[in-house]
Amino acid sequence: AQSVAQPEDQVNVAEGNPLTVKCTYSVSGNPYLFWYVQYPNRGLQFLLKYITGDNLVKGSYGFEAEFNKSQTSFHLKKPSALVSDSALYFCAARPLGSSNTGKLIFGQGTTLQVKP
Amino acid sequence: GAVVSQHPSRVICKSGTSVKIECRSLDFQATTMFWYRQFPKKSLMLMATSNEGSKATYEQGVEKDKFLINHASLTLSTLTVTSAHPEDSSFYICSASQREQFFGPGTRLTVL
Repeated sequence: AQSVAQPEDQVNVAEGNPLTVKCTYSVSGNPYLFWYVQYPNRGLQFLLKYITGDNLVKGSYGFEAEFNKSQTSFHLKKPSALVSDSALYFCAARPLGSSNTGKLIFGQGTTLQVKP
Repeated sequence: GAVVSQHPSRVICKSGTSVKIECRSLDFQATTMFWYRQFPKKSLMLMATSNEGSKATYEQGVEKDKFLINHASLTLSTLTVTSAHPEDSSFYICSASQREQFFGPGTRLTVL
């Protein structure tokens, strides 16, 4: 079965420090990869996506993600964390050629806690 | 950018009643909309894929008679939770697809 894994339930980082939220995928072909952020009682907000090309993708709010095909990973990063970055982060993959247009496979989510 | 709205944002109902949740794409047409359910601090569980003008495709384990989905136009899909019970209490999120998914703000359903 195709899947997306976020191995950490929670990531804690001090404000100003770099952060990494990990994601690996097991999806056939060359899927599109996404990161979303969710604040409490809100829907998901798009951060960035990888389709093809440069392995380092830059997105909203200073976030970036690094695609690594050999490791089938797509880790989310930010050079300097802010307290306001504290939220729930989801990695997702969209298999190509899916019969359901745009269907996404989500990871379990990682709670990011940035402390002052 | 693409905006998706949901209404209501929060609803409380009595057990046994039915609740309708609307999902609208405000500035684009979406032939496909998705309905998700999210439990506290958990990932999104895809319930069904809604295609305009045709029957929804439900994921395994989701009762189609319990969760009625109608996609009457290119900008509106509705999810009706029929005969709601406390275990149906959850956060329901829709998304509309235009090459990629744009998510609504979610609806918090509480069944007493």
